[in-house]
Amino acid sequence: KQEVTQIPAALSVPEGENLVLNCSFTDSAIYNLQWFRQDPGKGLTSLLLIQSSQREQTSGRLNASLDKSSGRSTLYIAASQPGDSATYLCAVTFDSNYQLIWGAGTKLIIKP
Amino acid sequence: DTAVSQTPKYLVTQMGNDKSIKCEQNLGHDTMYWYKQDSKKFLKIMFSYNNKELIINETVPNRFSPKSPDKAHLNLHINSLELGDSAVYFCASSLLAVHSTDTQYFGPGTRLTVL
Repeated sequence: KQEVTQIPAALSVPEGENLVLNCSFTDSAIYNLQWFRQDPGKGLTSLLLIQSSQREQTSGRLNASLDKSSGRSTLYIAASQPGDSATYLCAVTFDSNYQLIWGAGTKLIIKP
Repeated sequence: DTAVSQTPKYLVTQMGNDKSIKCEQNLGHDTMYWYKQDSKKFLKIMFSYNNKELIINETVPNRFSPKSPDKAHLNLHINSLELGDSAVYFCASSLLAVHSTDTQYFGPGTRLTVL
């Protein structure tokens, strides 16, 4: 069974810290992996998409890495800000069925 | 045990046709959503309903019309299909109103191909 797991479920850190969110998946035959941000009233916002052939993607203070062999991805957030507070979701598209499988998310709180 | 289900999973049709995608959730959630996944695999919200009331209506062509007969169902009807409508459409639901941090549960998606 294809599963996507995110640990921790919740994380609270002081403003300014660098932090890492983790995502693991059970099948290395993936098409791509995405990191999303979920804010109240705005649905989902796609942050970074990593294709199967890529190792990492960067956007501003965000860096996502992908290690297919170990079934892991990390989202690195540099110099965190209160506005980064949100739920971060990892979603994997597997080769076998081309459907998105979602992690449960990590709820991130950045304390001013 | 399916939480959020969509039918059909695959839909191939000709330009100009009218088609519907159905979505049902058995989670007892109050809010349901439709998203379109574009060619770059990014999800974009289209509509959101809370207890059968339209809450979010993003800028989509008026050929797209959501219908919510009850809070467990949110169907998407598309008139006069165009080539650019080809995409994967995701339905989702959440327990609380859209203005919350409640996790959204997504269906498996419907792959629409317009020929």
